Amino acid sequence: TQLLEQSPQFLSIQEGENLTVYCNSSSVFSSLQWYRQEPGEGPVLLVTVVTGGEVKKLKRLTFQFGDARKDSSLHITAAQPGDTGLYLCAGARTSYDKVIFGPGTSLSVIP
Amino acid sequence: GAGVSQSPRYKVAKRGQDVALRCDPISGHVSLFWYQQALGQGPEFLTYFQNEAQLDKSGLPSDRFFAERPEGSVSTLKIQRTQQEDSAVYLCASSLVVWGQAKNIQYFGAGTRLSVL
Repeated sequence: TQLLEQSPQFLSIQEGENLTVYCNSSSVFSSLQWYRQEPGEGPVLLVTVVTGGEVKKLKRLTFQFGDARKDSSLHITAAQPGDTGLYLCAGARTSYDKVIFGPGTSLSVIP
Repeated sequence: GAGVSQSPRYKVAKRGQDVALRCDPISGHVSLFWYQQALGQGPEFLTYFQNEAQLDKSGLPSDRFFAERPEGSVSTLKIQRTQQEDSAVYLCASSLVVWGQAKNIQYFGAGTRLSVL
């Protein structure tokens, strides 16, 4: 059983559409991170959220941490082909816990 | 270089062969992590070094896996008597601060893809 679940597993959309991907757990996390990983590369950190209810914006990307700190979402507005990749959420239950990754959402944005 | 460098990028091994994977972290980074990423999955923690000290090796799957960082810089992950289930991408990450400190940002290398035939 995955400690962090992500949905959907795969997503294929047209350029210009909006989308939301989700990261859920039954455990409380002290922080959650979102990464994007392109084929043949390592994950690259997009954002870290640490406060329940926190919303962070990074250009067309909006990240939200749930009030109970058990879930998070990533919303992309007007998706572009450059957004294509594997989106991974990762969390640590305490500052000294190892980071646990979810299985990822594979996003494909079609021109 | 400016980033984390891993070599080789690809490794094909026959079952039973020993392999060694190298990680060159960002210069000055204290923390170094190894992860295993199976196809279609997220990375799974293997081990953590703070400088030359291996502080956590709880994620190593078996005693065939061994990691070292003797001078607190370059690290090597060694897998003895490789098995087909060892086939995966092995990722290395480094961080400027020690594990547990705020702003512990991990910078990942591109990984080594290991295929065991």
